[in-house]
Amino acid sequence: GDSVTQMEGPVTLSEEAFLTINCTYTATGYPSLFWYVQYPGEGLQLLLKATKADDKGSNKGFEATYRKETTSFHLEKGSVQVSDSAVYFCALTYDTDKLIFGTGTRLQVFP
Amino acid sequence: DSGVTQTPKHLITATGQRVTLRCSPRSGDLSVYWYQQSLDQGLQFLIQYYNGEERAKGNILERFSAQQFPDLHSELNLSSLELGDSALYFCASSVGFGRVAEAFFGQGTRLTVV
Repeated sequence: GDSVTQMEGPVTLSEEAFLTINCTYTATGYPSLFWYVQYPGEGLQLLLKATKADDKGSNKGFEATYRKETTSFHLEKGSVQVSDSAVYFCALTYDTDKLIFGTGTRLQVFP
Repeated sequence: DSGVTQTPKHLITATGQRVTLRCSPRSGDLSVYWYQQSLDQGLQFLIQYYNGEERAKGNILERFSAQQFPDLHSELNLSSLELGDSALYFCASSVGFGRVAEAFFGQGTRLTVV
């Protein structure tokens, strides 16, 4: 079945460091891909999305490119801030009502 | 604030009991989704309602049920609770169906079964 695999956390970085959180997927078709962020004590928020191959989603300095050839959607940010500390979830859907999530990756940024 | 309201925020109950979790969607949203977030299973889709009708079902146990009322709020009923049901239960809402990526999530209800 369809699934999403994320790198295990926590990812620990110093402020202004470069961030990469890996996400790969297994899918029978061509899903839309998403990154969600969960700040402490809050619900999930959509961070960015890409709906077809080679699309790049971007928001708040975060970027991810839909790579069909490697079935990947890695999240990157050039310079992280302490306020980026959160749990990040990669997810996919086929435009139905079911999101399939990865297990989440905790990011901790220290000053 | 996402506009999705979930109550209660925390719930502690004993095994075998039954609880009801409540979700009020954003104004104007017709779809409500329920998700379970647990340490061992991660984030799992449970069920979705659209304008009062069940629209999609995921990994929802038979001991769990849900409904959406005419005023569009939704309730998730969990019965014969087991320790493994301890989790964070999220509700999300969106305007229509087939648009889950546009859904807004509530802050969740943390259920602890002891």
